[in-house]
Amino acid sequence: KNQVEQSPQSLIILEGKNCTLQCNYTVSPFSNLRWYKQDTGRGPVSLTIMTFSENTKSNGRYTATLDADTKQSSLHITASQLSDSASYICVVTLNYGGSQGNLIFGKGTKLSVKP
Amino acid sequence: GAVVSQHPSWVICKSGTSVKIECRSLDFQATTMFWYRQFPKQSLMLMATSNEGSKATYEQGVEKDKFLINHASLTLSTLTVTSAHPEDSSFYICSASHGDTQYFGPGTRLTVL
Repeated sequence: KNQVEQSPQSLIILEGKNCTLQCNYTVSPFSNLRWYKQDTGRGPVSLTIMTFSENTKSNGRYTATLDADTKQSSLHITASQLSDSASYICVVTLNYGGSQGNLIFGKGTKLSVKP
Repeated sequence: GAVVSQHPSWVICKSGTSVKIECRSLDFQATTMFWYRQFPKQSLMLMATSNEGSKATYEQGVEKDKFLINHASLTLSTLTVTSAHPEDSSFYICSASHGDTQYFGPGTRLTVL
């Protein structure tokens, strides 16, 4: 069964601290893995995308890693800011000939950054 | 970057009425758009794939007669929740493909009283 599991479910950190979110997946055939940020009451916004051959991808203070052998990914947030408070969703795309509808969503990690 | 908008951002309606939600790709054309539903603390669940000029493809368990989808142009898809009931209250999100990325709209919060 194609699944994406994220941990932790929720996380509270102090402003300025770093944190790492985890994503494990059992999805086949694999096309790519994305991390999205979803603010409360808003749609998801893409942070990073990685294909099978990519190990790491950065976007400002966000750094994503991918280990295709163990089927694990992580999202590291550096020097957190209050505006980083959101849900972070790991999404794996199935490789079905280019269809963009075959997305498997994790349930997300709800991050709260406190002053 | 590519922008997807939704209208309205929130709507409250009485049980039994119908509600239409619009999804627009503002600066690109999208032959395919997607409709998702998200319940509190849950992940997005794909409801249907909307194809311009043809019938939508619904996921298993989604009633096509209840959730009417029309993709009349390359920049507009609409979702109509017919005869809405309180259990239809949810956050509805659309997305559109542009290149290798799926861009999501800001979502529509539907509350059925």
